[in-house]
Amino acid sequence: GEEVAQTPKHLVRGEGQKAKLYCAPIKGHSYVFWYQQVLKNEFKFLISFQNENVFDETGMPKERFSAKCLPNSPCSLEIQATKLEDSAVYFCASSHSGRFNSPLHFGNGTRLTVT
Amino acid sequence: KNEVEQSPQNLTAQEGEFITINCSYSVGISALHWLQQHPGGGIVSLFMLSSGKKKHGRLIATINIQEKHSSLHITASHPRDSAVYICAVEEGGGADGLTFGKGTHLIIQP
Repeated sequence: GEEVAQTPKHLVRGEGQKAKLYCAPIKGHSYVFWYQQVLKNEFKFLISFQNENVFDETGMPKERFSAKCLPNSPCSLEIQATKLEDSAVYFCASSHSGRFNSPLHFGNGTRLTVT
Repeated sequence: KNEVEQSPQNLTAQEGEFITINCSYSVGISALHWLQQHPGGGIVSLFMLSSGKKKHGRLIATINIQEKHSSLHITASHPRDSAVYICAVEEGGGADGLTFGKGTHLIIQP
């Protein structure tokens, strides 16, 4: 597709439940990035992929967060045993290449509310 | 770790005014992005630059690598420009992710 598609738009989970978010990057884009926006405007980098390979996961709270980008499937970000502080908007972005001269295209985000 | 500072945090201006938003960072970068987050939350990439100046319509972005500083200008501002403008920098090859500023909340009043 011509835009980054994130689903669902909204997700509500009780504390301790699992949450799974999906991102379909733009066709032909090799790089996928996940960002977390906890408070308005406070963004945090979580993880990046080059095709199906993890490129950088330094931002991931690894004990509960995991992500995958498998061939012919949307990328996914999964949170096991959600906590209240996981409530945020999770943005996915893709780019054609990982180099700085390749613009990022953002999805509209998934708003996760943990109650 | 790069520290990205934006100013001002909030800006209210009248329609037609010339707007400047500033971004400074602490560590050398490979590129700087200006993003626009709409009131509904969607994010649009406005500019990506590593040197000099870029212009798109009424928007102009400049960067001074030596001073570690970038500015985003809006000429002839319009109420539809009301949004949050976010500066983000990348240090490596891009796939390392971005470090974001906290954003500038711009309101243009008619």
